[in-house]
Amino acid sequence: KAGVTQTPRYLIKTRGQQVTLSCSPISGHRSVSWYQQTPGQGLQFLFEYFSETQRNKGNFPGRFSGRQFSNSRSEMNVSTLELGDSALYLCASSLPAGELFFGEGSRLTVL
Amino acid sequence: QQQVKQSPQSLIVQKGGISIINCAYENTAFDYFPWYQQFPGKGPALLIAIRPDVSEKKEGRFTISFNKSAKQFSLHIMDSQPGDSATYFCAANGGGGSQGNLIFGKGTKLSVKP
Repeated sequence: KAGVTQTPRYLIKTRGQQVTLSCSPISGHRSVSWYQQTPGQGLQFLFEYFSETQRNKGNFPGRFSGRQFSNSRSEMNVSTLELGDSALYLCASSLPAGELFFGEGSRLTVL
Repeated sequence: QQQVKQSPQSLIVQKGGISIINCAYENTAFDYFPWYQQFPGKGPALLIAIRPDVSEKKEGRFTISFNKSAKQFSLHIMDSQPGDSATYFCAANGGGGSQGNLIFGKGTKLSVKP
């Protein structure tokens, strides 16, 4: 069974640009969560989607947004990038009330 | 109230020793406490989890001890091996009726010396 797939794995952007990250969950998983991981702040929850609906949202500015498609695939978007957005963005999928399975992440560098 | 505090930040243990990592929380509404293991370049992977109606859970060499009254829980790794060298995160579910919204501790980098 394939795991959670995140693309791209690495990307470099400049301040002010926007970025879209993609996540394909494990087959059969309808819940997708996104996390930001940085050395200073650790792992921080961004948002959670279930059946195309945002179920929970973390404490991030409106520049961070996401969506989920009918096939459970999810995307997150960061607009007007800032240097502080440099991070590893992790996607996780799960069955309802099940454990989270994380992907390997998309490493974003903002110059 | 929404924080999970983890200690120590780093830990060095000899092979065969016991590794102990501690976490504390404030919000009594938390009802799911997982531990994740992360190797460099990889995403976190669930190691073991506990709910507050149980005081201890053991899976192989890994044990969670849970003290509801003290709002603390800890991970014990028995017979620590060099392959256990990784970063460990405790977490608690942040509410909203799901387990997808986790609040993580800041992590403990464990090094097991051969």
